[in-house]
Amino acid sequence: DTGVSQNPRHKITKRGQNVTFRCDPISEHNRLYWYRQTLGQGPEFLTYFQNEAQLEKSRLLSDRFSAERPKGSFSTLEIQRTEQGDSAMYLCASSLARLAGGQETQYFGPGTRLLVL
Amino acid sequence: GENVEQHPSTLSVQEGDSAVIKCTYSDSASNYFPWYKQELGKRPQLIIDIRSNVGEKKDQRIAVTLNKTAKHFSLHITETQPEDSAVYFCAARRAVYNQGGKLIFGQGTELSVKP
Repeated sequence: DTGVSQNPRHKITKRGQNVTFRCDPISEHNRLYWYRQTLGQGPEFLTYFQNEAQLEKSRLLSDRFSAERPKGSFSTLEIQRTEQGDSAMYLCASSLARLAGGQETQYFGPGTRLLVL
Repeated sequence: GENVEQHPSTLSVQEGDSAVIKCTYSDSASNYFPWYKQELGKRPQLIIDIRSNVGEKKDQRIAVTLNKTAKHFSLHITETQPEDSAVYFCAARRAVYNQGGKLIFGQGTELSVKP
């Protein structure tokens, strides 16, 4: 499968625990995005990377959330001291941004569904 | 701030009829507008997109129109089929090179096509 992959697909945790999700983008895609989607809503932007550099974080993103993309390939999203309000689908997307600009299509992964009890 | 409003939230049509979903964006610097289809339990998938230098784009039964002056864009699906049933999301993006490509999504429209 050459698409975006995410692991785990489902995660159940207790409030206060830390969780980490992984995203593997499409090979050679230089941009990687994290979104959060709650039931009945559209995806909400969290953060994004160009290669290994984290270029933007949502102002709504709590400092309990941290993301990394150490080698410019896969990325991890960690949530510390989880709260019930963190329950959501966490989506990853990747794209290829070209120097000349032009269309940059974001391809989404299947998501990690988090349930905080 | 950046915001995309999408209407209606639910839409039910008979097979063969047309469906129209409308979105309005707030950021006048937005220049790229994709539409994603999300089936239950699956990932969002791009179905069509339009850039701000184009007013209309078609791909078989699907078309998107853009009115930059009014800051709204619409998805049109003709000859709907039961497999078109899904949640559709519009999105907008301000794409300036090297300054981010985040998508701002609408709230979604749940389309139901009845056989």
